[in-house]
Amino acid sequence: QSALTQPPSASGSPGQSVTISCTGTSSDVGGYDFVSWYQQHSGKAPKLIISEVNKRPSGVPDRFSGSKSGNTASLTVSGLQAEDEADYYCSSHGGSNNPFVFGTGTKVTVL
Amino acid sequence: QEQLQESGPGLVKPSGTLSLTCAVSGGSISRYVYWTWVRQSPGKELEWIGDILHTGSINYNPSLKSRVSLSVDKSKNAFSLNLSSVTAADTAVYFCAYSTGWYRLDSWGQGALVTVSS
Repeated sequence: QSALTQPPSASGSPGQSVTISCTGTSSDVGGYDFVSWYQQHSGKAPKLIISEVNKRPSGVPDRFSGSKSGNTASLTVSGLQAEDEADYYCSSHGGSNNPFVFGTGTKVTVL
Repeated sequence: QEQLQESGPGLVKPSGTLSLTCAVSGGSISRYVYWTWVRQSPGKELEWIGDILHTGSINYNPSLKSRVSLSVDKSKNAFSLNLSSVTAADTAVYFCAYSTGWYRLDSWGQGALVTVSS
């Protein structure tokens, strides 16, 4: 199973919005509403910020939002803050043999 | 929310077996969640290794299935990963995590770097 495709990098100034795409196939992203997003600061563990395409766990700011269209999911970070600078990974259910397929990761830089 | 902490050797020789344990605190290993292992390569790609329920039901990544073994130790409130016949390609940071369902990983340990080298 191939990894989901994300842009290597994205950036924005404080207060701006940035959107990250996550492209898969009809066997993963397009086939299930089980897309999650994780934030990983340098040297730290990933942290769940979005599940089931657009659900935020308790404690995650509403600046983070998710969506999906066809085989592509997206994460939008609104009102960028310095602490949002991190790597972001998507994941999707990929069927019984691939419960978790991860994206290639996107480094978000706050200018 | 449970806290997870990985432990184990940081250096394993080629062809040897990588063994890691994840201690669960703040909750019971017998809780109905999927206790999971994920690794992150030096290039930062994430790879799901497998998961186990406290009942012993296990799911493995097909690409690693022939070399992976997962287990739960209820007496220690921990779960473990064994990966045999390791090569340099198995060098990675290994994370333990848990999933309450819906194919999401709710919480992760801090990770343990394992290097395969002679």
